Amino acid sequence: QLQLQESGSGLVKPSQTLSLTCAVSGGSISSGGYSWSWIRQPPGKGLEWIGYIYHSGSTYYNPSLKSRVTISVDRSKNQFSLKLSSVTAADTAVYYCARSRHAPWFDPWGQGTLVTVSS
Amino acid sequence: QSVLTQPPSVSAAPGQKVTISCSGSSSNIGNNYVSWYQQLPGTAPKLLIYDNNKRPSGIPDRFSGSKSGTSATLGITGLQTGDEADYYCGTWDSSLSANVVFGGGTKLTVL
Repeated sequence: QLQLQESGSGLVKPSQTLSLTCAVSGGSISSGGYSWSWIRQPPGKGLEWIGYIYHSGSTYYNPSLKSRVTISVDRSKNQFSLKLSSVTAADTAVYYCARSRHAPWFDPWGQGTLVTVSS
Repeated sequence: QSVLTQPPSVSAAPGQKVTISCSGSSSNIGNNYVSWYQQLPGTAPKLLIYDNNKRPSGIPDRFSGSKSGTSATLGITGLQTGDEADYYCGTWDSSLSANVVFGGGTKLTVL
């Protein structure tokens, strides 16, 4: 079945750029009708959607993060990536990737990766 | 503060039924589909309900969803101790800052 796995740096210094990758297995990232999302969850808090990308490369971002977010797709590697610039402690969170539909719904999710912003 | 309002916690005994509400507005729940997620401790969220009331393959029919106006409800019958988790609703918000929005989450305790 479809599986997603996040990877990337778990510790980022303030003002630097957070970079994460989501590897998709058990299916193609080019499957029609789906988008690929990033969602985060600060420790002990709720969910915040970051943005999504279609296999075509078109993107849509959370307006509150738009100026700092870039999501890209690498169809040859069946993966998509997140870059969040100028990070602060407020960006400390577990970051999840997920397949999505515009209804919207998210399924399945990756296991999540904790990113801590600290000097 | 979340755009969608959920009760912070609900509780019920094993075997009983519980409902979790999710309140919004015409810019979100009122005109868009709602989805629900279960997050067991230390794990990633899992899709329970999509398009207001549809269950993905593998989700038992103990879980149900409904929507009326600007509110949605998740129902769980035959409660089990394994249902103890955080539950989140989510939808699209079509306001000026169009965005996917989630409720603040509800902690379900099975007494």
